[in-house]
Amino acid sequence: KAGVTQTPRYLIKTRGQQVTLSCSPISGHRSVSWYQQTPGQGLQFLFEYFSETQRNKGNFPGRFSGRQFSNSRSEMNVSTLELGDSALYLCASSLTGDGETQYFGPGTRLLVL
Amino acid sequence: GDSVTQMEGPVTLSEEAFLTINCTYTATGYPSLFWYVQYPGEGLQLLLKATKADDKGSNKGFEATYRKETTSFHLEKGSVQVSDSAVYFCALSGRNNDYKLSFGAGTTVTVRA
Repeated sequence: KAGVTQTPRYLIKTRGQQVTLSCSPISGHRSVSWYQQTPGQGLQFLFEYFSETQRNKGNFPGRFSGRQFSNSRSEMNVSTLELGDSALYLCASSLTGDGETQYFGPGTRLLVL
Repeated sequence: GDSVTQMEGPVTLSEEAFLTINCTYTATGYPSLFWYVQYPGEGLQLLLKATKADDKGSNKGFEATYRKETTSFHLEKGSVQVSDSAVYFCALSGRNNDYKLSFGAGTTVTVRA
């Protein structure tokens, strides 16, 4: 089976712009989660989707949003980018999400200038 | 809420040395526990997991035992190789319908030839 794929792998944006990141889960996985990884804060949970419904959201401002499509693919959007949004954004998928192994993609590295 | 406390690094070892990375957790109920590894420029890969007390997860010479009495899941490897140089993350999934992984801060391990 193909693993979790994320596009793009690298992105450079300027402050105030918005960005959309994409994630395709492992075939058959219906839960998709997003995490932000930074040197200062480590790995932080953004949100989780299952069957197009957001089931949980981390402690991030409303500028961070996401959605899931009927084929389980997911996107996350960050509006009005700030310098502090520079990070590695990781997507993970699992069958149903609770207590299961989450399989991670390679991440999208976002640099905000 | 759920949390993971992980031994701070960095850790530098010689090849064939013994590696231990301590991990303790706080969670209600019976979480699933994981060790993930991250190589430079990559996403997280599952190293091993355990889903109930006294379970031992093992993979590639690494082992960790789920100890409920001490709320610990320490990672060990008897003889490390240069290729084991990476960042190691301890994580838990609460299985309490919050659908997320809580991560430790990560431990950077460098193995010298």
